[in-house]
Parts: sequence; C-alpha cells; structure tokens
Amino acid sequence: EAQVTQNPRYLITVTGKKLTVTCSQNMNHEYMSWYRQDPGLGLRQIYYSMNVEVTDKGDVPEGYKVSRKEKRNFPLILESPSPNQTSLYFCASSWSGNKNTEAFFGQGTRLTVV
Amino acid sequence: GDSVTQMEGPVTLSEEAFLTINCTYTATGYPSLFWYVQYPGEGLQLLLKATKADDKGSNKGFEATYRKETTSFHLEKGSVQVSDSAVYFCALTYGRALTFGSGTRLQVQP
Repeated sequence: EAQVTQNPRYLITVTGKKLTVTCSQNMNHEYMSWYRQDPGLGLRQIYYSMNVEVTDKGDVPEGYKVSRKEKRNFPLILESPSPNQTSLYFCASSWSGNKNTEAFFGQGTRLTVV
Repeated sequence: GDSVTQMEGPVTLSEEAFLTINCTYTATGYPSLFWYVQYPGEGLQLLLKATKADDKGSNKGFEATYRKETTSFHLEKGSVQVSDSAVYFCALTYGRALTFGSGTRLQVQP
C-alpha cells in the first residue's frame, strides 16, 4: 500500500530535550516536506527537500532541522524544543515539486512540549 | 504574498443538504488550486484539484471551479452524507509549497 509513515503519532517531551520525528514514504517520491498545523492557521511548511541531499527552508523553519540521506526518509529534528513548537506535524511527499502534483500526507504527529 | 481565505466553521448540515464552502485566494501568478480533506485522526487526502482558470475539479460528488475573475474556488456538493463530516482545506501551490486556508469543519447530522 502506498503510504507516508510518521513516527511517533504522539509525543510529550520537556523543553530542551532533543527529539526526532521520522517520516518514510514507499512511493519513490522525489519531493518531501514537513508542515505544522495550528488552530486557525491551517498548515504551514517548515522544510522541504527536492531530492537526496537537497533541502531548503519553508515558511517557518526556525527551531527545526531536517536531513535527506535516503530518498525514502525525511526526519524532522528539534534540537532544543520549546513550548511554542507544540503542534500537529505532517510529513508529505509527491513525485516532484511540479504545481500539478498531488501531495500525500502522513497521519500526523501530535507533539506537546512542556 | 499569496494567501487563501476560507469561511469559518463549523458548518452544520442535515444529511442530504446542499453544501457550499467558500474559498478565495490572493495570488501573484497562476497557481494550481486544491481541496484537501482531513478525517478525524488522519492526515490530509486530496479531494480534487484544478490546474488552470475555468477548470472544474470533481470527486466523490464534490465539485469546485477555478474562477480567475473572482479569485475563488468554492467547494460544492449536492447532497451531503454523515460520512462527509471532516475538516476541508483549500490550498494553492506553484510547486514548492502548499499555501493552505485555515480549514472549515463540516458536521453532517443524520
């Protein structure tokens, strides 16, 4: 089954404790990205990757890091989480960065930073 | 910059009622337009899309037409079902990133 898999689904952590949210896709997609969803704001892009070893900032990159060492994986790293990073996070992938291409989303990771 | 504005929810309808969710956008170029749906506890799924002016996207009884003159992409369905209860997001893209509206929650009562 074609899918984007995120782990964990739920995470509660303390301020300053480094964490990684994993994302993996099995569709051989070139393009991957991370979004955060906050009430009243919709989804906003954090980082994206056009291909292996090619990453760039989205609209809200502060406090986040990513890497793309393999085509299928695109982990999101929070080196020193803060309470304002409490949010619902989605990983997405698509064949390319073409504007007509459908994005496939993971089920989301609900992160709480206390 | 580009932006998407959706009507505030929640929208509460009875089963078989007609649905309209308004979406307007501001764009400097010629984006593609999408409607995504988010069912409880799940990620977003593509509902329909339109890639140029006057295109009509349709899927599962839902329709939306890309109106450049009114910068709108309103979502419509003739007869909603309880299973349509979800959050609906309008979005635009030039390719790098999707710009989303804030989402509209639809509740359909039996």
